[in-house]
Amino acid sequence: EIVLTQSPGTLSLSPGERATLSCRASQSVRNNFLGWYQQKPGQAPRLLIYGVSSRATGIPDRFSGSGSGTDFSLTISRLEPEDFAVYYCQQYGTSPQTFGGGTKVEIK
Amino acid sequence: EVQLVESGGGLVQAGGSLRLSCIASGFTFSSDWMQWVRQVPGKGLVWVSRINSDGSTTNYADSVKGRFTISRDNTNNTLYLQMDSLRAEDTAVYYCASGFYSVKWGQGTLVTVSS
Repeated sequence: EIVLTQSPGTLSLSPGERATLSCRASQSVRNNFLGWYQQKPGQAPRLLIYGVSSRATGIPDRFSGSGSGTDFSLTISRLEPEDFAVYYCQQYGTSPQTFGGGTKVEIK
Repeated sequence: EVQLVESGGGLVQAGGSLRLSCIASGFTFSSDWMQWVRQVPGKGLVWVSRINSDGSTTNYADSVKGRFTISRDNTNNTLYLQMDSLRAEDTAVYYCASGFYSVKWGQGTLVTVSS
């Protein structure tokens, strides 16, 4: 199975700052089938990005995804108060689908 | 508006069975892949299973293969997860999600397996 390693585990930043989250795969992600999800406490995850760089419906353009092969990133250009949450990457190109361990973005 | 509502969770003894349901509305259920994902409270997301639109293709995580069965009823817009031979490590919140890449998620149903 493809193992996804997210780093850092925790990112401490202030509102208005830029956040860059990393997701590294143990082997190449097929067809760039890589997505990012946001999860806040007590809530279900929400899809942010699919296909490495396509924003899901209603997702603000401060969220962007990039990468290819085995190295991917999610960038939040300017953190808003509602962006402090846990973020997961997921590959859905090869079964079994797998998630990364998550990156928590917390207020500094 | 897309809605996914899970039910069927609860407390069960190790070795027992449960069947989870997920009722979908607000989109063309019969055209979409569907997924089950689980999460131990306070821990990360773990993919469990997926099924294609007509039910002819299913995939499972190794940890549940042979014990869990995913199925769907496109007439009644319902997704199922039959869970047999349950273990303590299956304790988690179970989410259903729609789409090949889990576009929409339900709020989850808690399954607790006591040993």
